[in-house]
Amino acid sequence: DTEVTQTPKHLVMGMTNKKSLKCEQHMGHRAMYWYKQKAKKPPELMFVYSYEKLSINESVPSRFSPECPNSSLLNLHLHALQPEDSALYLCASSQGRGQGAYGYTFGSGTRLTVV
Amino acid sequence: AQTVTQSQPEMSVQEAETVTLSCTYDTSESDYYLFWYKQPPSRQMILVIRQEAYKQQNATENRFSVNFQKAAKSFSLKISDSQLGDAAMYFCAFLLEGEKLTFGTGTRLTIIP
Repeated sequence: DTEVTQTPKHLVMGMTNKKSLKCEQHMGHRAMYWYKQKAKKPPELMFVYSYEKLSINESVPSRFSPECPNSSLLNLHLHALQPEDSALYLCASSQGRGQGAYGYTFGSGTRLTVV
Repeated sequence: AQTVTQSQPEMSVQEAETVTLSCTYDTSESDYYLFWYKQPPSRQMILVIRQEAYKQQNATENRFSVNFQKAAKSFSLKISDSQLGDAAMYFCAFLLEGEKLTFGTGTRLTIIP
């Protein structure tokens, strides 16, 4: 079983919909991440929430907005998406500063289809 | 910026045989971490093995081992006694403390029964 839980596993949404992806970890990790992965490509970093600070990849459009209600949860709010936003969205967490040797722990992803 | 190169988009190996996946990286730093992640069709990115750059000894995890050549900036993954469950996309990744995880482009591994 994964220690990073993502819901839902699959999501189909229209271009006018508003939806949210949820990510939760109970490992006490201090950093959480959202990645977008297109087929046969490596994951691309979208957002980092580390030690209560949010970092944004400047190439990510504003129709994606992260929210961190507490240190265990990282949501991704979706609004007015485009068909090219269809992808696998992966959440990950890491222990934080000085613990890079442990790498990241990933969830099993949300497969998003925008119609 | 750090870069990670995987020059083999696809590899195949007979079941029970050994296969080696290549990875090279570019950095001017001396202290960093390297990882191999496996992504099966189930989609989850699973950590296979990790290596700390300051450790000269190559990491080993059961059937998985690495050949870490720091001077050559090379980090290959050897899978021994390949099993059907090893079929997946394998990503090499590089991490500097305080920086983001940088992935290579991946190698798709097929296991031939």
